[in-house]
Amino acid sequence: DVKVTQSSRYLVKRTGEKVFLECVQDMDHENMFWYRQDPGLGLRLIYFSYDVKMKEKGDIPEGYSVSREKKERFSLILESASTNQTSMYLCASSLSRGPGNQPQHFGDGTRLSIL
Amino acid sequence: AQKVTQAQTEISVVEKEDVTLDCVYETRDTTYYLFWYKQPPSGELVFLIRRNSFDEQNEISGRYSWNFQKSTSSFNFTITASQVVDSAVYFCALSGSGSARQLTFGSGTQLTVLP
Repeated sequence: DVKVTQSSRYLVKRTGEKVFLECVQDMDHENMFWYRQDPGLGLRLIYFSYDVKMKEKGDIPEGYSVSREKKERFSLILESASTNQTSMYLCASSLSRGPGNQPQHFGDGTRLSIL
Repeated sequence: AQKVTQAQTEISVVEKEDVTLDCVYETRDTTYYLFWYKQPPSGELVFLIRRNSFDEQNEISGRYSWNFQKSTSSFNFTITASQVVDSAVYFCALSGSGSARQLTFGSGTQLTVLP
């Protein structure tokens, strides 16, 4: 089974702090994704990566950056945390190889509170 | 631009009732894939089904069935004889021809099955 592991289930940080959310997958997937989930808005894509050191902006990249130095690890960085970044953050990964568009596999999520 | 609409924000049914979750999508891609995910209270999104745009056959898996109709751009999900364990948020999602086949999610439908 695919395992996507997010480093923290719950995290509390202060306004202005630099915050790192880590995600590791163990199935050699090329694609990795970061989403935030807010009530009534579903999941919104922040950034994604289709290869090591490659990254592309999603729908809501402002205030975030990412890093992918190794294939299995994808980090989301909040450069200067603000209260409107309080949310549930979900990491996902998927294969590029294989027929069609492969399903994404998700981690358990990190519930981040910015005080 | 792609868009997925799940008009039903919340649905409540009594155990053993059948329930249908609606999903309507918009895309300009001629080849695309549709997905359903389940998010139980524990938070992890669980992949349920993938359907490509060339396959309009309905699919049944146990108590779950999916009705894909290109003519109405809909991909509806029916649970037959619902159970309390079906209580979750259900997301419909669409992926097209992006570099990492990224998903566009609907806002989700909260299903509550009462005993």
